[in-house]
Amino acid sequence: EDQVTQSPEALRLQEGESSSLNCSYTVSGLRGLFWYRQDPGKGPEFLFTLYSAGEEKEKERLKATLTKKESFLHITAPKPEDSATYLCAVQAVNFNKFYFGSGTKLNVKP
Amino acid sequence: GAVVSQHPSRVICKSGTSVKIECRSLDFQATTMFWYRQFPKQSLMLMATSNEGSKATYEQGVEKDKFLINHASLTLSTLTVTSAHPEDSSFYICSARDAFGTSGSKETQYFGPGTRLLVL
Repeated sequence: EDQVTQSPEALRLQEGESSSLNCSYTVSGLRGLFWYRQDPGKGPEFLFTLYSAGEEKEKERLKATLTKKESFLHITAPKPEDSATYLCAVQAVNFNKFYFGSGTKLNVKP
Repeated sequence: GAVVSQHPSRVICKSGTSVKIECRSLDFQATTMFWYRQFPKQSLMLMATSNEGSKATYEQGVEKDKFLINHASLTLSTLTVTSAHPEDSSFYICSARDAFGTSGSKETQYFGPGTRLLVL
């Protein structure tokens, strides 16, 4: 069965303290892995799409990487405005729908 | 690019009434849209996949007659909650996939801002 597990459930960082969020997945043929950021009371905001192991993508302080079993979202020198819930989703080959993880709630303190 | 809107953003209604929520892709065409429900502090729960010009595909446990979905054009899908009850109160979010990849990806789902439904 296709599954997505995110860890940790919550993460508190000091401003400038770099860290990584993990997304482990089990899927019968990966079509894509997706990272989103969600602020309270809002819809998820798209961050990255990764398609194959070894692929990396960067945007400002965020960098996403992918292996055959997991993806990491690295946050370098985070700022308070990076505080949000980060969601990971996978799409299997031949299927339309996404399987979402439960998210990591990130809190960056000044 | 890749903007999805939802209307209304918030709605309060009486028990027994029906509520329609619109989801529009503003700068791309979407043959496939998705409807999710999200409870407080929980992740997204897929309710149904909306296909332009054909019937929606509902997830197990989602009542088709209660949550009516219509995807009449390449930019608009609607979700109607019929005979709403307090237990239907939730945050409803739609997403759309760029059918022609004009935004850069045909697989990525772009999400709307969500609709907060409160049934009294």
